[in-house]
Amino acid sequence: QVQLVQSGAEVKKPGASVKVSCKASSYTFTSYGITWVRQAPGQGLEWMGWISVYNGNANYAQKLQGRVTMTTDTSTSTAYMELRSLRSDDTAVYYCARVNYGSGSPINYWYFDLWGRGTLVTVSS
Amino acid sequence: SYVLTQPPSVSVAPGQTARITCGGNNIGSKSVHWYQQKPGQAPVLVVYDDSDRPSGIPERFSGSNSGNTATLTISRVEAGDEADYHCQVWDSSSEHYVFGTGTKVTVL
Repeated sequence: QVQLVQSGAEVKKPGASVKVSCKASSYTFTSYGITWVRQAPGQGLEWMGWISVYNGNANYAQKLQGRVTMTTDTSTSTAYMELRSLRSDDTAVYYCARVNYGSGSPINYWYFDLWGRGTLVTVSS
Repeated sequence: SYVLTQPPSVSVAPGQTARITCGGNNIGSKSVHWYQQKPGQAPVLVVYDDSDRPSGIPERFSGSNSGNTATLTISRVEAGDEADYHCQVWDSSSEHYVFGTGTKVTVL
C-alpha cells in the first residue's frame, strides 16, 4: 500500500552525525516532494526542511542551515536526511512526510498528506 | 518569523462539539492545514486548504479560516478523537513551513 517506511532508532554521541532513510512505496516518487519534521519529547512539531524529488532542490529551516542535508535516490524511491554536529537538544522523533503539490497549486497551498512512522534519534554521551 | 498560537488544551464531552483555534497575523490570507496526532503515532492530515478533507476523514471534521483565526471543528466528538491537533501554514516571508504550538483534545 501507499506508505513511507523509515529506518530504525539511532543512538549517537554529541558531535556525531545521523542519516535517516525514508523509503516510499506504491506511488510515483517523483510526483511529490518529501519534507522532514521532528518532535522533541513532549514538544510540538518542528519543520526541518523539504526537498523536491523531481529536481533535488532543497529548502532548509534557518535554524538548521549548515547542519542538515536532504537528498533522494529515485532509483530506490528513498529519501535521506543527514544531521551533523549532533547536540543533546537534537534528541527527537524524526518524521518524513510526502509533500502534496495539489493540482499544480503554488507552494503556499501544499500540504503533508502521508507520513512515516518516525525514527527516534537519541543524542547522549 | 511567523507565529501560530493554539490553546494548550480543549476538553469536550462525547457527542458535543470541539473547536480548536489557530491564531496568526492575517492568517485568513493563508492556506491552513490541520493534523491529528494520537499518542505514540505519526501525525495524520485531517483538513487541508482551510476546509477540505482528505478521503477517509469523517465529515465530523471541518475547518474555517478568517481574519486572524483559523478553526478546526470536530462535531459529535468521539473518544477516538482524543489526540493532539496541529495547524500549519506556509510563511512566504521566511519561505518556511510553520506549525502551531499544538492543542491537546481531551474527551471527558
